[in-house]
Amino acid sequence: GAVVSQHPSWVICKSGTSVKIECRSLDFQATTMFWYRQFPKQSLMLMATSNEGSKATYEQGVEKDKFLINHASLTLSTLTVTSAHPEDSSFYICSARDPNMVSYEQYFGPGTRLTVT
Amino acid sequence: GQSLEQPSEVTAVEGAIVQINCTYQTSGFYGLSWYQQHDGGAPTFLSYNALDGLEETGRFSSFLSRSDSYGYLLLQELQMKDSASYFCAVRDGGGADGLTFGKGTHLIIQP
Repeated sequence: GAVVSQHPSWVICKSGTSVKIECRSLDFQATTMFWYRQFPKQSLMLMATSNEGSKATYEQGVEKDKFLINHASLTLSTLTVTSAHPEDSSFYICSARDPNMVSYEQYFGPGTRLTVT
Repeated sequence: GQSLEQPSEVTAVEGAIVQINCTYQTSGFYGLSWYQQHDGGAPTFLSYNALDGLEETGRFSSFLSRSDSYGYLLLQELQMKDSASYFCAVRDGGGADGLTFGKGTHLIIQP
């Protein structure tokens, strides 16, 4: 199956700093990628849809100025958590769908565990 | 609003069969997916149903009834490695394909 990578796999940062998370599709081109957040023992919550070459679409309640998304190429989307606070500590996961596949399977990255101290 | 309901936890014995149900209420509906997630890992795709009926893939089967807004995942010949969380998810965003996930069912397999 298709592979999606994320970097870093985990990061610890101080409150008030910014953190950038990268999501790459390794063997297919993705015009659309998705960013999810998952708190411990909870479900995945869709944060935003990242569109190559255009602005991201944010879900209700997600601050677009706090979670900056850039989809500069067909294989790379980045999520920047700006002015991070402890409540932003979570597991951030990206996903993408291979447009060449008929199946609606989404391929998820391994996730990035963010801890804000 | 969007909501997907599934049991929070299910316990079963190795070698048995277990069914995990999912009911949904969403503003749009294009299909129901199932994903497996082990602790600390990424979700992995199990199945997708866009039309009514049963889809079978090895030990896993998934069923959908659009008129009842209901689906289930059936796992047969349970193995210890099947211990994980299972999420149903609805594709409800038109062309965007973003998924709305249920809260997940923690499946515990006992020897």
